[in-house]
Amino acid sequence: DGGITQSPKYLFRKEGQNVTLSCEQNLNHDAMYWYRQDPGQGLRLIYYSQIVNDFQKGDIAEGYSVSREKKESFPLTVTSAQKNPTAFYLCASSIDPRGGFYEQFFGPGTRLTVL
Amino acid sequence: SQKIEQNSEALNIQEGKTATLTCNYTNYSPAYLQWYRQDPGRGPVFLLLIRENEKEKRKERLKVTFDTTLKQSLFHITASQPADSATYLCALAASSNTGKLIFGQGTTLQVKP
Repeated sequence: DGGITQSPKYLFRKEGQNVTLSCEQNLNHDAMYWYRQDPGQGLRLIYYSQIVNDFQKGDIAEGYSVSREKKESFPLTVTSAQKNPTAFYLCASSIDPRGGFYEQFFGPGTRLTVL
Repeated sequence: SQKIEQNSEALNIQEGKTATLTCNYTNYSPAYLQWYRQDPGRGPVFLLLIRENEKEKRKERLKVTFDTTLKQSLFHITASQPADSATYLCALAASSNTGKLIFGQGTTLQVKP
């Protein structure tokens, strides 16, 4: 089945630790995105990548880092510099990286809790 | 400043009625607008896309309108069912060449049997 997967589903982190969230897609999509969702709020864009080996900051990139070494993978690292990392993290992909008329496909999400 | 707003209050309706959700935006000129459904603890799922030159789009019991003069999109679910209960998000293109979407905060719909 084609799709987008995220792991782990739940993640607990101690303050001061870096953690990496995995996102993999087998849809052969060029564009990939990371969003953060807080309770009762919409999705806010952290980083996005339109092509392998290139990525751009979104609206709330501070305290996060990404890499895009392979087309199918776009891991997100939540660093200790992120002051309030507890949230629901969603990864998405799209066939058209240049803003064409195509939807985004979302993974199931990772819920990160800082202890 | 640019804003996209959905009614933050939950919408409660009776089964069989039509649900109407609103998405308003300011200081954008989006080429298209999308609607997604999100169930608790899960990722959003795409429902419909409407382009700026389209007034209305339909898919089964769903209908979306897009009024670029009013800067508003309406999302309708006819003959609503309890299974339609979820949060519905609207999203619009932030620019013409990045694929970035800006999401509203979502409206939660509760359909009662």
